[in-house]
Amino acid sequence: DAMVIQNPRYQVTQFGKPVTLSCSQTLNHNVMYWYQQKSSQAPKLLFHYYDKDFNNEADTPDNFQSRRPNTSFCFLDIRSPGLGDAAMYLCATSPGSSYNEQFFGPGTRLTVL
Amino acid sequence: GENVEQHPSTLSVQEGDSAVIKCTYSDSASNYFPWYKQELGKRPQLIIDIRSNVGEKKDQRIAVTLNKTAKHFSLHITETQPEDSAVYFCAASRAYKYIFGTGTRLKVLA
Repeated sequence: DAMVIQNPRYQVTQFGKPVTLSCSQTLNHNVMYWYQQKSSQAPKLLFHYYDKDFNNEADTPDNFQSRRPNTSFCFLDIRSPGLGDAAMYLCATSPGSSYNEQFFGPGTRLTVL
Repeated sequence: GENVEQHPSTLSVQEGDSAVIKCTYSDSASNYFPWYKQELGKRPQLIIDIRSNVGEKKDQRIAVTLNKTAKHFSLHITETQPEDSAVYFCAASRAYKYIFGTGTRLKVLA
């Protein structure tokens, strides 16, 4: 009964080689988020979608892009991964109203060689 | 910008003792305050949350208190057990936007 699914769970890429991470949800939530988390630091919000409305955090590098083709799926594209992009990438969803819990996926651990 | 300060960054307690983690938020419009527990290599999981119209909430060994005037909220864990060892994050939310605290690594010593 997985609610937020991320694929792959582990991704190894080479420096500069584009990579796409996938997230899907069975909760029919309006909002989907992408976070980057390094070494037990706080999750850092990269983007979020409210339905199809895309919201980019001011400090998210241009190297990161996102797509949400439908309610269930959201993708994170890293166009030219650098060593500093190695991290856990967490997808989360929420219904989109006040007082609502965020549901996190299991994360994708990205390694950049 | 808006931020959430969390203290302490690390906390070690003896098994059976209590642990308290404190957060302060800056956005006075925040109205929802969740606490997440994250074990090594796993996703953050909600352990308790509180709405802005409530001052205190308790769930077995875990409680959260909120002081809206001071913009403080705290997590209290009583009778700590080794399985409580993890990183804990507070967050402050307005609408569907969440700002996380910097995290507290809790170690419960057997």
